[in-house]
Amino acid sequence: DIQMTQSPSSLSASVGDRVTITCQASQDISNYLNWYQQKPGKAPKLLIYDASNLETGVPSRFSGSGSGTDFTFTISSLQPEDIATYYCQQYDNLMYTFGQGTKLEIK
Amino acid sequence: QLQLQESGPGLVKPSETLSLTCTVSGGSISSSSYYWGWIRQPPGKGLEWIGSIYYSGSTYYNPSLKSRVTISVDTSKNQFSLKLSSVTAADTAVYYCASSIAVAGLGGLGIWGQGTMVTVSS
Repeated sequence: DIQMTQSPSSLSASVGDRVTITCQASQDISNYLNWYQQKPGKAPKLLIYDASNLETGVPSRFSGSGSGTDFTFTISSLQPEDIATYYCQQYDNLMYTFGQGTKLEIK
Repeated sequence: QLQLQESGPGLVKPSETLSLTCTVSGGSISSSSYYWGWIRQPPGKGLEWIGSIYYSGSTYYNPSLKSRVTISVDTSKNQFSLKLSSVTAADTAVYYCASSIAVAGLGGLGIWGQGTMVTVSS
């Protein structure tokens, strides 16, 4: 099974900061990597699919990059409404595996 | 606009079978364009994929749950369902149904239901 290691597990940043989260797969998953945002009490929301493609309607301050085993998720300028938990998810070999999540807080 | 809604009992006794249904509106569950899936989240914890199904009936399960899980489609009701047998307290979670566009593999889960809390307790 493919394991996803996401870091950090929590992050505190100021409004306007550039925020980066990383996700590492235990084996090559090409670009089969998605990123989700989950706010308390809500269902997750797909932000980035196939490692770097922005889902329709998602602000351009969100971006993703990487391929193979190493992936990065970036918020270019943190906004108050971005406070949430973020998850990476791989979907290689007709299976999904989620990362452990990164809880993002405002400093 | 595709919408999903979970339904089912909020309380299940240990050793019994958890049964949930996801009703699809705004689209056909028989469409070759989507995979339909179940994901759960224990209180205060992360997301766990349970399994997915394609309109053809092909199913894909999390190996850690495979022996206890059945996902099926009811085209007449435009619904898909989850059955999880022999439940324990560890199966207490919010259960989400979700869909992904079938382009290359399972894809990104772009549409989610609101989630339903299921508690396993006697």
